Amino acid sequence: ETVMTQSPTSMSTSIGERVTLNCKASQSVGINVDWYQQTPGQSPKLLIYGASNRHTGVPDRFTGSGFGRDFTLTISNMEAEDLAVYYCLQYGSIPWTFGGGTKLELK
Amino acid sequence: QVTLKESGPGILQPSQTLSLTCTFSGFSLSTYGMGVGWIRQPSGKGLEWLANIWWDDDKYYNPSLKNRLTISKDTSNNQAFLKITNVDTADTATYYCARIVDYYDGRRYYVMDAWGQGASVTVSS
Repeated sequence: ETVMTQSPTSMSTSIGERVTLNCKASQSVGINVDWYQQTPGQSPKLLIYGASNRHTGVPDRFTGSGFGRDFTLTISNMEAEDLAVYYCLQYGSIPWTFGGGTKLELK
Repeated sequence: QVTLKESGPGILQPSQTLSLTCTFSGFSLSTYGMGVGWIRQPSGKGLEWLANIWWDDDKYYNPSLKNRLTISKDTSNNQAFLKITNVDTADTATYYCARIVDYYDGRRYYVMDAWGQGASVTVSS
């Protein structure tokens, strides 16, 4: 099983700040990583697929990058609506596995 | 517009079988490249992938659930199903179904681009 480790587990941020979230795979998964956003009480929502492709309708302040074992989600200009938990998912091998999540909170 | 909605028993007792239904619209599970996945989330915790079923009836399961899972579909009624046998309190969670698209543009991607609202399941004696 490929273990996905996200860091940090939580982060205090400010509106307008640049935020970087990390996800590390226990073995290479190529570009087979998606990022999902989950706001309180809501279902997860797809942000990024294939490591770096922004899903339809996702604001361009969200950028994904990475290959192999190391992946990053960057929010260039934090907005209040971005306060959420972010999960990475690898689908390079079965079982598909999620990271433990990174929770973004306001300072 | 793609929509999915999960339904289940709400509460059941240990050792029983959990049966979940995902009723969807806006796509067909007989269309090439379409799939439905099941994911669960215990309250306050992270996401766990359980199983996928594809347009061609290919099925994939999370081996950590040790053969307790069965996924199936009814294409004509736009439904997908998940059964979990011999449940215990560790199976208490919100269960989501999601549409998966097998997308190819020179590279292959799997995207869970639409999710249901989730069905809360509690296992308790």
